[in-house]
Amino acid sequence: SYELTQPLSVSVALGQTARITCGGNNIGSKNVHWLQQKPGQAPVLVIYDNTKRPSGIPERFSGSNSGNTATLTISRAQAGDETDYYCHVWDSTTDVVFGGGTKLTVL
Amino acid sequence: EVQLVQSGAEVKKPGESLKISCKGSGFSFTSYWIAWVRQMPGKGLEWMGIIYLGDSDIKYSPSFQGQVTISADQSISTAYLQWNSLKASDTAMYYCARRSGTAYFDSWGQGTLVTVSS
Repeated sequence: SYELTQPLSVSVALGQTARITCGGNNIGSKNVHWLQQKPGQAPVLVIYDNTKRPSGIPERFSGSNSGNTATLTISRAQAGDETDYYCHVWDSTTDVVFGGGTKLTVL
Repeated sequence: EVQLVQSGAEVKKPGESLKISCKGSGFSFTSYWIAWVRQMPGKGLEWMGIIYLGDSDIKYSPSFQGQVTISADQSISTAYLQWNSLKASDTAMYYCARRSGTAYFDSWGQGTLVTVSS
């Protein structure tokens, strides 16, 4: 079955750039989507199809995907960005696959 | 506005049955897949299964096959997640989510907290 690997935690200084990775075998051939989940709330889609932002998501959020790693990049990190992030893909054998999630800490 | 509204929190005893719901509005219900996602306390997101509302085609995650039943009633734009015999380990938040495009989840319900305790 297909697996996605995310770091458990990532730290970033306030105002700097955070990068959260999502690793998978040849993930560059798939469409990767990213969710943000704040405590006590449902997840929210922040990036879809590797690089696209849904309406209402700040331009500070961007994505890339190549080889075996997809990356969610958060520029000018704010205190409000401190929360959990999940990548997910569709796979022909397992259908939906979620990464394990990454907790972003803004210092 | 696209909305998924889930049924309220439930407290059940081990062995009891339960059916929770997810009602869609603001979109053509029968044109989408609706997924169910489990989140155990302090843990990540787990895909349980998904139903296509047009023809009720259902796919289950191997981890949940046989443990739950997913269904839908097109006439009232509602998807369901059902247990026949709950266990304490079923205690979790359960979300429904609409799948769009290249299989991304663009709209989520508010979640239903299920607590199973004797």
